[in-house]
Amino acid sequence: SQKIEQNSEALNIQEGKTATLTCNYTNYSPAYLQWYRQDPGRGPVFLLLIRENEKEKRKERLKVTFDTTLKQSLFHITASQPADSATYLCALATTGFQKLVFGTGTRLLVSP
Amino acid sequence: DVKVTQSSRYLVKRTGEKVFLECVQDMDHENMFWYRQDPGLGLRLIYFSYDVKMKEKGDIPEGYSVSREKKERFSLILESASTNQTSMYLCASRPSDREGQPQHFGDGTRLSIL
Repeated sequence: SQKIEQNSEALNIQEGKTATLTCNYTNYSPAYLQWYRQDPGRGPVFLLLIRENEKEKRKERLKVTFDTTLKQSLFHITASQPADSATYLCALATTGFQKLVFGTGTRLLVSP
Repeated sequence: DVKVTQSSRYLVKRTGEKVFLECVQDMDHENMFWYRQDPGLGLRLIYFSYDVKMKEKGDIPEGYSVSREKKERFSLILESASTNQTSMYLCASRPSDREGQPQHFGDGTRLSIL
């Protein structure tokens, strides 16, 4: 069956460290993968897109990698800040209409 | 900035009622989506719409219907509300001009069915 898995346990790190979040998938051939941030009581907000033929994308302190052999994407936040505390969702899109299929999200807590 | 507005942040209804959730976007996006979000299950797609008057079932359409009479508005209808439809409902929109466009979400409606 098709699955997208993100670590359901919260990730606790200290300010200034790099946070690494994982998204694994099975039985999908994604055209691309997106990462979203969601704050409590708010809707998800788009952060980054990475396509199937790209290995890595960067945006300011954010970096995403995509390994279609391992069927995994890693999301990194360098020099993390308490304001980065939120839930981060990965989402796959298949070809065609590109409906998104979301993971359950990983909560990140950055302590001062 | 794209704005997706959901009509209510919190809503309490009774079992058996017909419930309408409204969503309006201001960016002339062709595609619109309704999701529900539950702890441990993530976002699940209920219905989506390619364009005006077009609708497609998502992964969990049972007990729901939708309406898209105008491009900016996408309504979710619970035909006869049941307690298992208590959830956070999120609406999103997206342009259709090229692949990979992000979805823009509203802030959700937390619906409780008593």
